Amino acid sequence: EERLVESGRGLVRPGGSLRLSCVASGFNFRSYNMNWVRQAPGKGLEWVSSITSGRPYIYYADSVKGRFTISRDDTKSTLFLEMNSLRVEDTAIYYCVRATGAAVGLNVYDALDMWGQGTMLTVSS
Amino acid sequence: DIQMTQSPSSLSAFVGDSVTITCRASQFISTYLNWYQHQPGKAPKLLIYAASTLQGGVPSRFSGSGSGTDFTLTINNLQPEDFATYYCQQSYRAPPWAFGQGTKVEIK
Repeated sequence: EERLVESGRGLVRPGGSLRLSCVASGFNFRSYNMNWVRQAPGKGLEWVSSITSGRPYIYYADSVKGRFTISRDDTKSTLFLEMNSLRVEDTAIYYCVRATGAAVGLNVYDALDMWGQGTMLTVSS
Repeated sequence: DIQMTQSPSSLSAFVGDSVTITCRASQFISTYLNWYQHQPGKAPKLLIYAASTLQGGVPSRFSGSGSGTDFTLTINNLQPEDFATYYCQQSYRAPPWAFGQGTKVEIK
């Protein structure tokens, strides 16, 4: 069975740091681009960061750029999100998400096809 | 960056009804548009990718259409398990990948 399991939930003070982890199983993790997506309380989904497979390219939302660092350890099938200088507005459920490229005709379309159950981060004084 | 705008933000419908949700991109995205369903307490679920291709296991009462900047998600014969929040998301070129703000489908 394919699974993504996040860990690292917690309560952190503003300005603090936390590292989230996501362990993948049931599929060839190293072959997939991986992402973090979050949902703040009462808000919609927000894409946070992506890391490609192989020689990784890395992308961040402007809201976290310079504060968050995404990384992966393919030997352990694990995705990480290092979060520094945390703000109250970073409070959210953080989802680890796999992206799959599907061929339709001559094009390849990326979609977020597998999601973890999410881990809650609360930033509060 | 590309922005996504969904409408309406919420709607009410009866079981058995058909509903349509629209999504507009701030610039051309061809058919690089995905739809997700999010039920409270659960992980979001991919419904449709490439604007109109149903993800495996998704019931055929869900359908998507559109290209360029304007897209729709239609749910025919609404079932109790379909009451959820729906999001569009663009995957045109490299990230950032924006989501729409969501449309909550509620029971009337």
